[in-house]
Amino acid sequence: KNEVEQSPQNLTAQEGEFITINCSYSVGISALHWLQQHPGGGIVSLFMLSSGKKKHGRLIATINIQEKHSSLHITASHPRDSAVYICAVKETQGGSEKLVFGKGMKLTVNP
Amino acid sequence: NAGVTQTPKFQVLKTGQSMTLQCAQDMNHEYMSWYRQDPGMGLRLIHYSVGAGITDQGEVPNGYNVSRSTTEDFPLRLLSAAPSQTSVYFCASSSSSRTYEQYFGPGTRLTVT
Repeated sequence: KNEVEQSPQNLTAQEGEFITINCSYSVGISALHWLQQHPGGGIVSLFMLSSGKKKHGRLIATINIQEKHSSLHITASHPRDSAVYICAVKETQGGSEKLVFGKGMKLTVNP
Repeated sequence: NAGVTQTPKFQVLKTGQSMTLQCAQDMNHEYMSWYRQDPGMGLRLIHYSVGAGITDQGEVPNGYNVSRSTTEDFPLRLLSAAPSQTSVYFCASSSSSRTYEQYFGPGTRLTVT
């Protein structure tokens, strides 16, 4: 069974800090998703990666397939970045779009 | 586009009652899924569908039924509610033509007393 581990579980930062959130998984995958869950509960997709690196605004996501590891970086963090960040992976076995989710990392950015 | 919609937003049931959580999407996505989210745990897959008429079980299917008669709708039925089904339920959809980017509904908070 694929285990998806996220670290740290909680993080408190000051506005402007550079933040890194980590995700590791145990079996081969075809894609990895980074999701953001706002305090109100809504979940939005940030990135989907199968290799390399993607950037959107102040967010950068990287993945190392050989090391089974991905990182989400937030540059110049802002209080509006406060949310739970969730990593999810799609295993290479099977043809369906089933995802396995990490427990999420709660980020609080203080002004 | 409205995206993925879910109703109701909140629901309180008594043990043994049945109900249907509604989910609809207007993006013509072939994949739809139901998840539950519990404190301290990741999202867990209940049931999913790869197209109209095709459904399959996820990680935690017991006590739930689904059907997919149209591309747009994917209702989740609780047959006989139990306190263990108290949770937040999310519906999601995705499409191979959009590289499987996940679109989530706003969630339904269900309490079973």
